[in-house]
Amino acid sequence: QVQLVQSGSELKKPGASVKVSCKASRYTFTAYGMNWVRQAPGQGLEWMGWINTNTGNPTYAQGFTGRFVFSLDTSVSTAYLQISSLKAEDTAVYYCARLPYSGWYFDYWGQGTLVTVSS
Amino acid sequence: IVLTQSPGTLSLSPGERATLSCRASQSVSSSYLAWYQQKPGRAPRLLIYGASSRATGIPDRFSGSGSGTDFTLTITRLEPEDFAVFYCQQYGSSPYTFGQGTKLEIK
Repeated sequence: QVQLVQSGSELKKPGASVKVSCKASRYTFTAYGMNWVRQAPGQGLEWMGWINTNTGNPTYAQGFTGRFVFSLDTSVSTAYLQISSLKAEDTAVYYCARLPYSGWYFDYWGQGTLVTVSS
Repeated sequence: IVLTQSPGTLSLSPGERATLSCRASQSVSSSYLAWYQQKPGRAPRLLIYGASSRATGIPDRFSGSGSGTDFTLTITRLEPEDFAVFYCQQYGSSPYTFGQGTKLEIK
């Protein structure tokens, strides 16, 4: 069974940075892309963008440019989301979700990482 | 593409049939429309992709239909574990947008 295991909850102060990891297992990491999705407290799902695991090329949705960076370490089958200059409105659960290149839907999801930004 | 789901909340009893709607502001190319189920405190789970194809392990009481701008998720014979929030998503053109969700609650 495909697994995406994300790093644990984070509590950060405004202005700090955070790096969320998403470790994939039980499939060939570079055969699928990886999406990132944000869910603010009590809200719906918001697509942040995705990263091509073959080329490392990221694509960011509008509103997620500048402070958000997607990266990879293919040697350990892990994708990363880094957010800098954190703001209170970045408080949310962040999900990674696998992307089949043949289909472009999100077929497996990580369990989510809660990032709380508070002074 | 803006996706509008209706109703916002649907109150039904186990054993009943649920019909959830998703309307797109413009045509969704190649029926690249998916449905996800999310339970409280859990990650979303893929139910339907390509508007009508069930994902691996999804019971056949879940079905999807539609094309163009109008899509439907139908759940026949609701089971207690089906009550959750459901999201539609289009992945035909970037940005890959989600609907606002329909909450299916026990009546």
